[in-house]
Order: sequence, then structure tokens, then C-alpha cells
Amino acid sequence: DTGVSQNPRHKITKRGQNVTFRCDPISEHNRLYWYRQTLGQGPEFLTYFQNEAQLEKSRLLSDRFSAERPKGSFSTLEIQRTEQGDSAMYLCASSLAGTANTEAFFGQGTRLTVV
Amino acid sequence: DAKTTQPTSMDCAEGRAANLPCNHSTISGNEYVYWYRQIHSQGPQYIIHGLKNNETNEMASLIITEDRKSSTLILPHATLRDTAVYYCIVRRRYSGGGADGLTFGKGTHLIIQP
Repeated sequence: DTGVSQNPRHKITKRGQNVTFRCDPISEHNRLYWYRQTLGQGPEFLTYFQNEAQLEKSRLLSDRFSAERPKGSFSTLEIQRTEQGDSAMYLCASSLAGTANTEAFFGQGTRLTVV
Repeated sequence: DAKTTQPTSMDCAEGRAANLPCNHSTISGNEYVYWYRQIHSQGPQYIIHGLKNNETNEMASLIITEDRKSSTLILPHATLRDTAVYYCIVRRRYSGGGADGLTFGKGTHLIIQP
């Protein structure tokens, strides 16, 4: 296992279209996080899963955003009716949560450009 | 999670030690100090974390003051590849099932000069 994998690396879409990103975490990690990062800012937390359960969603996650982790392994993040303000880097991270939470490992991100 | 304060940018000469400060005056007893860095166009990379004792690994050293209100990340022999944004984050390590998403600030842009 070489780490957290995200696909695609880049996505250009027209405003109003739907897009879906995929994240494959480190195989033994039970927690999976999604973050968004805009230019010049640090990553902002969007949501996280423990196994297949989505346990928290940031208020940044509007109704047009939905994330799933159906079998507790890979996750998808879908954005419906994209807007130019959705242009950002979308980062996925995973960690092992138990009595002590391990550090989170990040993927390379998916850069979304809405035109 | 406690808020952190870092300088916006710093320069360091290649081969010298880079010392990156972080203030976290409102840190609570169960919060750890974590450092991540982000090289341009890549995802953040974990560097090191600590509670109150100084820590060292193959990447860096972390010095935490006795009152835990500030810390310094030390890259002992900086190289050009260490140019990145460095984030200091404080968070609970034992979250008891609650959310433990990392709260990033804007970090310090460290530029290593040849």
C-alpha cells in the first residue's frame, strides 16, 4: 500500500455540471476525511467517516455536496450543479482511530476548476 | 481545538537549521502539538507531534516550552526540497469518538535559499 490515492488529479467542468471524486485510503485505516483548500489558505475540514458511517459534516458542506463510503473502504465526494466558487483542491486523508488516534495521511488531492 | 499563531513567511539558507515558531497559548492539557507541511501542489505531509516532551524523528525535532504555550519545529539541515508551507496544529489525540478533523491555519511559508 503506497498511501492515500485520489482520482482524478485534475478535473475541469462547466458550471452546472455534476462531478465525482474518489479516494482510496490506506487499507487498514478506519477513518477517512475530506478537506477543501482554496488558493493561499490552509485546508478546511468538510466531513469524515469512521468505517462506513459519516459522523460529522462541516457547515461548509452545502446540500449540493454528498460523500459516501459504502463499504468502509474507498469514498466518493460528489458535487452537484457545480458553481465557480467550488473551484478548489479537494483533499482526502485517512487515519487509524482507536484508543489513540494516529496522525492523518493525505492524498495528493483533486484540483477542480469550474469554468 | 486551540488556535495557533505562526509567522507568515521565513527564509533560511540551505544547509542551516530552520527554526519555525508557533504560539498556542490557549492549548489545553489533553491537546497535542502537530506539525504538517505542504509542498506546492501536493497534499499535506505529517512531520511530527508531541505533548510536552521534546521529540525527534528522522525529519525534524519539536521543542515545546515548559508551559506548553509555544513550540519550535527544527529542520536541522535544510535543503531546497524543504521549501513548503508548514502548519502547526493543536488537537486532541484521544478524541473518544468525537470528530478529530485537523484545523489548519495559514501556516508559515518557509523558503530555503541556495
